[in-house]
Amino acid sequence: RKEVEQDPGPFNVPEGATVAFNCTYSNSASQSFFWYRQDCRKEPKLLMSVYSSGNEDGRFTAQLNRASQYISLLIRDSKLSDSATYLCVVNQVYNFNKFYFGSGTKLNVKP
Amino acid sequence: EAQVTQNPRYLITVTGKKLTVTCSQNMNHEYMSWYRQDPGLGLRQIYYSMNVEVTDKGDVPEGYKVSRKEKRNFPLILESPSPNQTSLYFCASTPKGAPYNEQFFGPGTRLTVL
Repeated sequence: RKEVEQDPGPFNVPEGATVAFNCTYSNSASQSFFWYRQDCRKEPKLLMSVYSSGNEDGRFTAQLNRASQYISLLIRDSKLSDSATYLCVVNQVYNFNKFYFGSGTKLNVKP
Repeated sequence: EAQVTQNPRYLITVTGKKLTVTCSQNMNHEYMSWYRQDPGLGLRQIYYSMNVEVTDKGDVPEGYKVSRKEKRNFPLILESPSPNQTSLYFCASTPKGAPYNEQFFGPGTRLTVL
């Protein structure tokens, strides 16, 4: 079983739509959680960390559900520039330099 | 400019010909990692380093070596490349400290082994 699983998509949405991605992780010892964005085989870049209480950054909201072992990302008012692949990332409490990546969810925002 | 650099960016080679992909960061980060990315599999950690002369295996270390003789450099060595090592490779660095620290990635190296 993979450490981190994501729906690969693609999610095709019109501009202005709200879209949500989920990600599940298998190891209950996971400590830190992140969403990264990757454009067309370029390097991943941090979108936001995911805190236990949930957090928001502009149009982006991240939630963590430890009991069910999933993380979500909500994007409101989608822009064309949001088109990318979104990677869910977790690491472990005993070694926070060891990271596990989901295979990514592809988002296409259409005019 | 704070950055992670990798060289070469693109490489086509043949089976068995030793190669090294260099990685360098100018942010004085303690932690560095190598990943490979394959379609449908996401990024998988090959090796990571906690500091100079301290390295450890990630999830897919077979066929790779690394060294960390200086803090800024973390080369990836393929002693005898094989076609199943054809992939997109990323180097990343992270500052020491809190677990929510960001990983900074290099631009990637696209390797083809014939």
